[in-house]
Amino acid sequence: GAGVSQTPSNKVTEKGKYVELRCDPISGHTALYWYRQSLGQGPEFLIYFQGTGAADDSGLPNDRFFAVRPEGSVSTLKIQRTERGDSAVYLCASSIGGTGYEQYFGPGTRLTVT
Amino acid sequence: GEDVEQSLFLSVREGDSSVINCTYTDSSSTYLYWYKQEPGAGLQLLTYIFSNMDMKQDQRLTVLLNKKDKHLSLRIADTQTGDSAIYFCAEIPDTGRRALTFGSGTRLQVQP
Repeated sequence: GAGVSQTPSNKVTEKGKYVELRCDPISGHTALYWYRQSLGQGPEFLIYFQGTGAADDSGLPNDRFFAVRPEGSVSTLKIQRTERGDSAVYLCASSIGGTGYEQYFGPGTRLTVT
Repeated sequence: GEDVEQSLFLSVREGDSSVINCTYTDSSSTYLYWYKQEPGAGLQLLTYIFSNMDMKQDQRLTVLLNKKDKHLSLRIADTQTGDSAIYFCAEIPDTGRRALTFGSGTRLQVQP
């Protein structure tokens, strides 16, 4: 079946602009996760949704970052007033339930802030 | 706090076995994972082990867990050039959180 999909695959934006990154999880997966991967590093957790609600947003770096999942499927990660330090690959993952023991990742969105 | 460490680089010849090592600090870890990342691609879940197990084998992959030393390893038998990638160790702590904590990855280079 179809895996996790993310759009766009690449996004270049100017410092100070607003961006939205989209994630479409595997059909039937109720849990959705966002991670951020900087060059040469492993992914770092940002936020986790169980259904429509954010069950854990402890990884969001500051209040410029926000994510929603209004219908319990597609999620959007929103970044306001982007900074050059936000440049990274943003990865989305989903799992079949709240246990999160098998998280399947999408291909990521590479965000470049100029 | 949580910390996962891996060596940066491993080079092997095609046909040899590869062993990638990982250490972690969180003694409450419940599940430990190995992910593979090829250039420009997302993360592929290879295998994982529950903390009450010592070993798990899946075709060419063998995972060994030494819980006392907090050491996890991934052995790839008969390594192929297609195995060249970055391998990440990750863990989920037994704190009710569902966030994976990753190491920085080990780059495996397979020479023909």
